[in-house]
Order: sequence, then structure tokens, then C-alpha cells
Amino acid sequence: QKEVEQNSGPLSVPEGAIASLNCTYSDRGSQSFFWYRQYSGKSPELIMSIYSNGDKEDGRFTAQLNKASQYVSLLIRDSQPSDSATYLCAVMLSFGNEKLTFGTGTRLTIIP
Amino acid sequence: DTGVSQDPRHKITKRGQNVTFRCDPISEHNRLYWYRQTLGQGPEFLTYFQNEAQLEKSRLLSDRFSAERPKGSFSTLEIQRTEQGDSAMYLCASSTGTTDEQYFGPGTRLTVT
Repeated sequence: QKEVEQNSGPLSVPEGAIASLNCTYSDRGSQSFFWYRQYSGKSPELIMSIYSNGDKEDGRFTAQLNKASQYVSLLIRDSQPSDSATYLCAVMLSFGNEKLTFGTGTRLTIIP
Repeated sequence: DTGVSQDPRHKITKRGQNVTFRCDPISEHNRLYWYRQTLGQGPEFLTYFQNEAQLEKSRLLSDRFSAERPKGSFSTLEIQRTEQGDSAMYLCASSTGTTDEQYFGPGTRLTVT
């Protein structure tokens, strides 16, 4: 079982709709969770961090964390063509462990 | 406030040559990380520093790889006797240490021919 799993996609969503990206992780001791956006040929850009169960909203982005189900998701409302990118889920596996473990990413395409 | 910078942005080298990459973290970020990313994969952790101390190294970091952060500011990653399998994007990230958020630089794309 991979430590962090994401559907690789591609996920296609019409412009203006909600895009939903999902991620599961295997280590129950994981403390910190992140979503990065990566455009083709570019480096990852941090867009959301979440540490506690529940929802965290930032503009059009909402991160959701459910530690009991070992599940983290990212919702993008009012999707724009500029949201087309690969979205990487990253997990800091255990308290005091500094490294991020990434999923393979989900490629999202927003269709105008 | 400048972000993480990396130099060079691209490097083409022949197999067997040594290469060195530099990373300058965000000012006052005391933690610095190196990752490697290949096509279609997420970044993989290589090593990290807190100030000048190298605190963790991945088993991915073979004896041919060495990283330093001599004064707790910039860091270098050297690969000796490069192999074609070393071709990848080498990413540097930094964080304050008061949060877990890591911010990435633009990366150095290495091609070994």
C-alpha cells in the first residue's frame, strides 16, 4: 500500500463547476496535510495546509480532513481554466518527522 | 520578500561527470529540504537541514550524493559520477520551523546524456 494515494486522473471539469480532488494516507500518526499545485514544467506551489479535522476555506479553495478515515480532499469552486494543473497531496507522516511524502498527483483540466 | 532560488535552472551533463546545484532559501527560514521529482511522480525526499545540521537523509541518497549547508544559509547538492538514472528535477524547499509549510524553489532540471 502506498503511503499517500491519489487518483492520477485526468479529471475534467467544466468551467464554473466544482472540482473535487481526493487523497488517502496510510499512517494514522500523520499530523500535517498539504495541497500543492504544479503547472507543467514548474515547481510545486503551496495552496492549502490543514492540520485539524474539518474544513478549511481559503478563497475558492476548501480543504477537508478526516483523520478517522485517513482522507483529505480539496474542493475548487467556480473552476477557472487557470486551475488546470496537477494537484499534489503531501503528508507529514509523524510528529517530528520533517519530510513530506507526496502522492503522484491528480491532473485536472478545466474545460472552457 | 524573495522566494527560494535555485541555480542553475537547467543542467545537461555527460554520464560520469560531477554536478553541483545551489539553493538559497527564503530569508530567515532555518529549515532547508532537497527533493527529487521524475516525470509523472510526486517529489521524493532526499535530505534536510536545520540551520547547518543535516538531520535526515533518505536511503535514496546514495554515496554519490552529498549535501551541505555550511553557514546555515544556502545549500549545495553535489552528485558525483552522474548516471542516466539521475536525470530528474531537483527541488529545494525551505520552511520557518514554526510551521510545517514548505515553499519550493523553481528547481534544477538535470539531464544526464
